Amino acid sequence: AQSVTQLGSHVSVSEGALVLLRCNYSSSVPPYLFWYVQYPNQGLQLLLKYTSAATLVKGINGFEAEFKKSETSFHLTKPSAHMSDAAEYFCAVSDGGGYQKVTFGIGTKLQVIP
Amino acid sequence: GAVVSQHPSWVICKSGTSVKIECRSLDFQATTMFWYRQFPKQSLMLMATSNEGSKATYEQGVEKDKFLINHASLTLSTLTVTSAHPEDSSFYICSAFDSFQETQYFGPGTRLLVL
Repeated sequence: AQSVTQLGSHVSVSEGALVLLRCNYSSSVPPYLFWYVQYPNQGLQLLLKYTSAATLVKGINGFEAEFKKSETSFHLTKPSAHMSDAAEYFCAVSDGGGYQKVTFGIGTKLQVIP
Repeated sequence: GAVVSQHPSWVICKSGTSVKIECRSLDFQATTMFWYRQFPKQSLMLMATSNEGSKATYEQGVEKDKFLINHASLTLSTLTVTSAHPEDSSFYICSAFDSFQETQYFGPGTRLLVL
């Protein structure tokens, strides 16, 4: 069984401030981990993914995430928030390959304050 | 990156009618596609896994006779909501699995409103 916990359904940051969105996972096998972003009334866009290679994963739009096995975490960060980063962010886990079922977290809505 | 399209993006229909939603992988072949449903302010809930050339696998609680899935080719899966009712109103999102990237790529979603 696999699961994802996203801490904080809403996160507010000031423009230019650090963005930190938290994600903890549970998986019985080495996981594949993903972060997706969803803008209003749109589908999901892949930000980045971890597939057992480098533990620090860089994605699009300046985001990155670090896989920490000891903490079962995969937190998403960005050094400086931009207004366009305001969206819903979903952490997801898959057991060894995206063709298997992907389990999503509840999502974190990021608000960027000017 | 891989592109997945959905059509239509918006559909409004009367109660009792059927609605077909198409999901296409535009630049890769996908033997496996997935259909999700998203309620307002909630996460995505997997409805079914669509496999090319075989029957779809439905998640517990999803009525297979109501949500008909056909995966006739490596680039197209369709979801038909039969005899739609207002409670079927939702945001439906498909994804396609790219085996080379080992990643699901998502379509832009279809918003269904049943009157």
